[in-house]
Amino acid sequence: EVQLVESGGGLVQPGGSLRLSCAASGFTFSGYWMTWVRQAPGRGLEWVANIKQDGSEKYYVDSVKGRFTISRDNAKNSLYLQMNSLRAEDTAVYYCARPVTAASIDPFDYWGQGTLVTVSS
Amino acid sequence: QSALTQPRSVSGSPGQSVTISCTGTSSDVGGYDYVSWYQQYSGKAPKLMIYDVSKRPSGVPDRFSGSKSGNTASLTISGLQAEDEADYHCCSYAGSYTLLFGGGTKLTVL
Repeated sequence: EVQLVESGGGLVQPGGSLRLSCAASGFTFSGYWMTWVRQAPGRGLEWVANIKQDGSEKYYVDSVKGRFTISRDNAKNSLYLQMNSLRAEDTAVYYCARPVTAASIDPFDYWGQGTLVTVSS
Repeated sequence: QSALTQPRSVSGSPGQSVTISCTGTSSDVGGYDYVSWYQQYSGKAPKLMIYDVSKRPSGVPDRFSGSKSGNTASLTISGLQAEDEADYHCCSYAGSYTLLFGGGTKLTVL
């Protein structure tokens, strides 16, 4: 059974840092692009970043470029999101997601349960 | 990277049909046949309902259908059921390995 389990969310002050993790199981993690999607309270979904199977290519939404870094450890079946210089507008539930097919970046048939990041003083 | 435009809310009575629109540009919705739709219940993770504009994953009822015309994609739900009451999000490939979501639409079954 495919499972994605996020962790690492919490309350952080503006300007602070947080590292999110996503533990994957039930599939060949190293064979898939992986993605972070976030959802601010009461708002729609927002694509944040994705990473190629071997980590050689990474793409970000403009609003997080230079502040967030997506990475992965295929030996540990884990996806990460290092978030620095956090702002109030980064407050959201962060989901990791896996695409339907290994060769594509989307659509997503598996999602984690999400981890809440709150940026507030 | 502006979000795709969806109506904030739509509603319909059981048995009726509703259509949710998703408007983008020629750089995203209009430029690729890679539009997907997700259903999301409050506090839950999204569920894939439609992909590649009009394809349904196995297990999704054929009451759900997708289409696209120009820069606007649409999700139609026919034979509305109470369980269809949820938020619906569209998503489009936007080139250079990036994705754009819409703002989400709340469907109310009257």
